[in-house]
Amino acid sequence: AQSVSQHNHHVILSEAASLELGCNYSYGGTVNLFWYVQYPGQHLQLLLKYFSGDPLVKGIKGFEAEFIKSKFSFNLRKPSVQWSDTAEYFCAVIRPNDYKLSFGAGTTVTVRA
Amino acid sequence: GAVVSQHPSWVICKSGTSVKIECRSLDFQATTMFWYRQFPKQSLMLMATSNEGSKATYEQGVEKDKFLINHASLTLSTLTVTSAHPEDSSFYICSARDRSSGGDEQFFGPGTRLTVL
Repeated sequence: AQSVSQHNHHVILSEAASLELGCNYSYGGTVNLFWYVQYPGQHLQLLLKYFSGDPLVKGIKGFEAEFIKSKFSFNLRKPSVQWSDTAEYFCAVIRPNDYKLSFGAGTTVTVRA
Repeated sequence: GAVVSQHPSWVICKSGTSVKIECRSLDFQATTMFWYRQFPKQSLMLMATSNEGSKATYEQGVEKDKFLINHASLTLSTLTVTSAHPEDSSFYICSARDRSSGGDEQFFGPGTRLTVL
């Protein structure tokens, strides 16, 4: 069974700071990778996804993620965070034709104004 | 983008009663829908996969007789929590896979907060 590990449970930073959230998965085959965000009181929204091609993926709201196959990683980054980026961030992995998403435990990001 | 709705958004019920939660894909057809459970401050745990016109497949440890799933049409799946108990209190989230997209992206509903007294 595949698992998804997110390195940080809670990250606190100031506005304009850079953000990087780690994500590693254990499945060795071909995978599709996602980052979702859950703002307070709202439903999950897709930030970005990687299926194939350029391993550096750009998503919405200035987020990007890099797929490093050799490290089984898909880390999320944003160069300069805003207060509105305060949310819960989930990394998720899916095997093609399986359609089952496996989620990481999530990272709570708190941005202080 | 694709929109998924859930109804109700929150429900409070007495122990021993049954509660039905609906998940609808509003602007696309979904042959596959998924039901997740999320405990406070925790991640989403997949409960079952709902396939239109066939029986749902449940994840290990999920009681299929307690969590009844019906996927009667391409736009509607329902989850019924039967004989609910306080330990069933949780946030239930559904997602739907857009079969026309050809990809593996799932679109999530807003969730249903269930509180069993």
